[in-house]
Parts: sequence; structure tokens; C-alpha cells
Amino acid sequence: QVQLQESGPGLVKPSETLSLTCSVSGDSINNYYWSWVRQSPGKGLEWIGYIHYTGSTSYNPSLKSRATISVDTSKNQFSLKLSSVTAADTAVYYCARPKNAETSAPVVHWGQGSLVTVSS
Amino acid sequence: DIQMTQSPSTLSASVGDRVTITCRASQSIGTWLAWYQQKPGKAPKILIYMASNLESGVPSRFSGSGSGTEFTLTISSLQPDDFATYYCQQHYTYWTFGQGTKVEIK
Repeated sequence: QVQLQESGPGLVKPSETLSLTCSVSGDSINNYYWSWVRQSPGKGLEWIGYIHYTGSTSYNPSLKSRATISVDTSKNQFSLKLSSVTAADTAVYYCARPKNAETSAPVVHWGQGSLVTVSS
Repeated sequence: DIQMTQSPSTLSASVGDRVTITCRASQSIGTWLAWYQQKPGKAPKILIYMASNLESGVPSRFSGSGSGTEFTLTISSLQPDDFATYYCQQHYTYWTFGQGTKVEIK
């Protein structure tokens, strides 16, 4: 059974960098494209980006290059860094796995979500 | 960017009702559309993919249709467990989600 678990600080100060890690169990990270999605009251569900185990990435242009996703195949984990955060980045952050190995496949596995609040 | 617009934003219905939610894409996405159900405090759960394919384990009262820019999710007979928020998502180019439709008890 595939399980995804987000971890990281729940509070980040404005202008600093948000960092989250997703630990994958029940599946090898050496398959699929692994994504980050966030959900805020103001903007709903928003795709942040994805990474392949080879290191290939793609990001939502709306984040203006603030997002960086990396992968650690030895730990079966992938991570998100979002720089220069503001209150608008306050959201529940989900890691996600699509239905198949296509970049455009829909999500079938989600983490439980990690609430990150940006506040001084 | 492909924009997704759902209607209505809120829908009041009773158990046993037939419910229809509409999703429109800002450009043609073929049948690259998924529907999700989300309950408070939980991650979304996929119901339908490729516009009309029912995900394994999802009750058959859920169905999806449409292609191009207009899509619908239908619940044939609303059950108590179905009161939730529903989202459409285009999976044609990256992912973009609709703003959600909350199905509440009438």
C-alpha cells in the first residue's frame, strides 16, 4: 500500500524559505513523477511542480522560480523548497503521486497534508 | 495557463437527489479531466479520470462525461457520505484545478 508522509516546520517567517520533505513507503521513488500541490482558502488547489527520480523537474510558472524540488532516491524521499515566502504562501501542502508514469496522469495517492503558516 | 471553472459553487441537495456539477476549461483539453471528492481535513480522493473512467473502488452512482471544454460529474442518487466538496482537474498540461463545488444538505 502506497503511503506518502509530509514533514517539516509548520511556521515560517516572511522572506524565509519553506522546506518540506515527503517520505514514500510501499512504492519505489524510482517510478512516476512525484508532485507537490498546495491548498489555500484564497487560491484553492494549486500544483507546484513535479520531479522524476532522474532529477527532471517542472514547475508552475506562477511561482516565478521560487520553488525547487529535489529527490533523494537512497531515502525514497523528495523535497520542496519555496523561497521568499509571504503570507500568501500559507497553505496545506500535499505531496502526491499520479496514477501512472505519465507526467499528465491525475493524482491517486496523496499525503495527509502539512499546514504551513507564514507569519512573523 | 488552462483555467478551470466549476458551477455552481455551492449546491444544496437531499439524500436520493440526482446531482450534476459542471466544469468548463478555458481551452480544449480533450478528455484529460479528473474529478475529486474532498472532505474537511482530508486530502482529495479521485473519483473519475479521463473524463468518464471510474476509479477502482468508487461507487457506480458517480459518473463523468464531456470532452473538449465542457464536462459534468453526476451523482445519480446522493448518499449521506457524498456531502463534500468536489473539484475538477485538467491533466492535459500539468495540473489545474477548478475552484470547487460544495454539496451541502438541503
